[in-house]
Amino acid sequence: AQSVTQPDIHITVSEGASLELRCNYSYGATPYLFWYVQSPGQGLQLLLKYFSGDTLVQGIKGFEAEFKRSQSSFNLRKPSVHWSDAAEYFCAGTFSGTYKYIFGTGTRLKVLA
Amino acid sequence: DGGITQSPKYLFRKEGQNVTLSCEQNLNHDAMYWYRQDPGQGLRLIYYSQIVNDFQKGDIAEGYSVSREKKESFPLTVTSAQKNPTAFYLCASSIATGVDQPQHFGDGTRLSIL
Repeated sequence: AQSVTQPDIHITVSEGASLELRCNYSYGATPYLFWYVQSPGQGLQLLLKYFSGDTLVQGIKGFEAEFKRSQSSFNLRKPSVHWSDAAEYFCAGTFSGTYKYIFGTGTRLKVLA
Repeated sequence: DGGITQSPKYLFRKEGQNVTLSCEQNLNHDAMYWYRQDPGQGLRLIYYSQIVNDFQKGDIAEGYSVSREKKESFPLTVTSAQKNPTAFYLCASSIATGVDQPQHFGDGTRLSIL
């Protein structure tokens, strides 16, 4: 069955430090992959998406993600975290033959001043 | 600005009562979705609609109902049959249903039981 997994429930980093949030998927072919961010009490905002082609995808707010087929991963990165990046991050995938988004369970990011 | 508006932001339900959550979009999107969000569980699909006057059950449709009489509106009713309705509800839309269509989200409605 298709699945999207975010292994880390919570991540804490210091402001200015680099960030990597992990996302793994299970699927026999290449899925379409997305990263969303959610501030408390708000909806989800799309950060970036991967459909095909270049495996390094640039998004908004200085985020990027790298698709690695060999590792079935789509990790989100940022070189230098700002306090305003504290939020919950969701990885999601869609798979051929279905309309449906499958969301990971989210990673909550805390940023230390 | 185009977007999705959910109302109210907070809603309280008494036992045995039906409540309706509003979702309106002015993005001219064909597809609309309702998700339920619980801590540590990500988002789970309740219902979706690909076009006006058509909708389909998602993974957790029991105790919920929807209608899609207008393209821009997709209200969700939480019925008394939903035994654990306390959650954060998110409405989303996309240009069409399809694997490559990003979804745009409203700011959610938090439903609590009195």
